[in-house]
Amino acid sequence: DVVMTQTPVSLPVSLGGQASISCRSSQSLVHSNGNTYLHWYLQKPGQSPQLLIYRVSNRFSGVPDRFSGSGSGTDFTLKISRVEPEDLGDYYCLQSTHFPDTFGAGTKLELK
Amino acid sequence: EVQLVESGGGLVQPGRSLKLSCAASGFTFSNYGMAWVRQTPTKGLEWVASISTGGGNTYYRDSVKGRFTISRDNAKNTQYLQMDSLRSEDTATYYCARFGPGVRANDYWGQGVMVTVSS
Repeated sequence: DVVMTQTPVSLPVSLGGQASISCRSSQSLVHSNGNTYLHWYLQKPGQSPQLLIYRVSNRFSGVPDRFSGSGSGTDFTLKISRVEPEDLGDYYCLQSTHFPDTFGAGTKLELK
Repeated sequence: EVQLVESGGGLVQPGRSLKLSCAASGFTFSNYGMAWVRQTPTKGLEWVASISTGGGNTYYRDSVKGRFTISRDNAKNTQYLQMDSLRSEDTATYYCARFGPGVRANDYWGQGVMVTVSS
């Protein structure tokens, strides 16, 4: 299975500040069709995961433009600018290029 | 509004069975693949199984193959996960998720249901 390594494990931030989360895969996530199936989720406390970014850099419906995704191959980044209280929680990357889908272990975004 | 509501969780002894259900609303259920994903504090999020729109194609992670069966009833807008020969390592919160073909990821998730396997 593809191993997804997220860093950092914990990320203290100030409200209004910026956060950056890294996700690295054990093999390239470029599919044979040329697409890269790397996605980002946020799980708020007591809730289920919600899709933020799909296919590296596309914001899902209703996701504010403070969230942006980038990367290619095996290295990917989620950036959150102007952090708001509702952004706090656990962030996960997911790859669905290779079977089976695999998730990163998560990054906890918390207040400094 | 897309809604996915799981039910059927609970406490079960090792070796016994449990069947989870997921009732869907707010979208045309028969047009979407569906999945089950589980979460534990130690292993994190794990994809468990997926099913195609018509139910003809199913996929499982190795650790549940032969023990779990995913199915769906498009007339009832419901998917299921039949879990047999349960083990302590199956203890987790199980989420029902919709597979969005455009995003090619699980785009909406239910609130989750807890399954505890213990004697």
